[in-house]
Amino acid sequence: AQSVTQLDSHVSVSEGTPVLLRCNYSSSYSPSLFWYVQHPNKGLQLLLKYTSAATLVKGINGFEAEFKKSETSFHLTKPSAHMSDAAEYFCAGGTSYGKLTFGQGTILTVHP
Amino acid sequence: GAGVSQSPSNKVTEKGKDVELRCDPISGHTALYWYRQSLGQGLEFLIYFQGNSAPDKSGLPSDRFSAERTGGSVSTLTIQRTQQEDSAVYLCASSLHSGSVNEKLFFGSGTQLSVL
Repeated sequence: AQSVTQLDSHVSVSEGTPVLLRCNYSSSYSPSLFWYVQHPNKGLQLLLKYTSAATLVKGINGFEAEFKKSETSFHLTKPSAHMSDAAEYFCAGGTSYGKLTFGQGTILTVHP
Repeated sequence: GAGVSQSPSNKVTEKGKDVELRCDPISGHTALYWYRQSLGQGLEFLIYFQGNSAPDKSGLPSDRFSAERTGGSVSTLTIQRTQQEDSAVYLCASSLHSGSVNEKLFFGSGTQLSVL
């Protein structure tokens, strides 16, 4: 069975500093991996997805993630945080249609 | 429509009552999904529709939960005899086609269900 683990429930950064949100996955076969963002009272929005075409995936709003099979990781990064990045972030994996397994979420706080 | 629409946005009900949650997917999207987001369980898959049929209902937590989709469009999630543990945000998502995990899912803003 596939599982997705987000290693931090909360991450706090200062505006302008790098962001690192960690995600590990387990699967017996290559998954498709996603990062979603959820702003308060809003639906989930897709940031980026890995589908085996390239290990470094670039997404919207300056976010990117690197798929590392040897480490079973898919960490999300951004070089410089902005106040508008404050939200909850979800890592998810899927193996068929849109049935996704989500991590528990990481709340990102950005301080001025 | 412009996006996935869910109604109501908030629903407060008494334990034991039945509730219906509605989802209007993006026009033309053939695949529709229901997820539940709760404090204890995080985001969980409930059911997947392809057109009007539901090939995967494996996430429905009990027989009190049912869902249908009509006309390949609107879907209704019904919870009978609600319990306090049903309190959660119920999210609907749609995608253009089905069969590929790489399809982008578009999520609605959800229905916040509170069972008193």
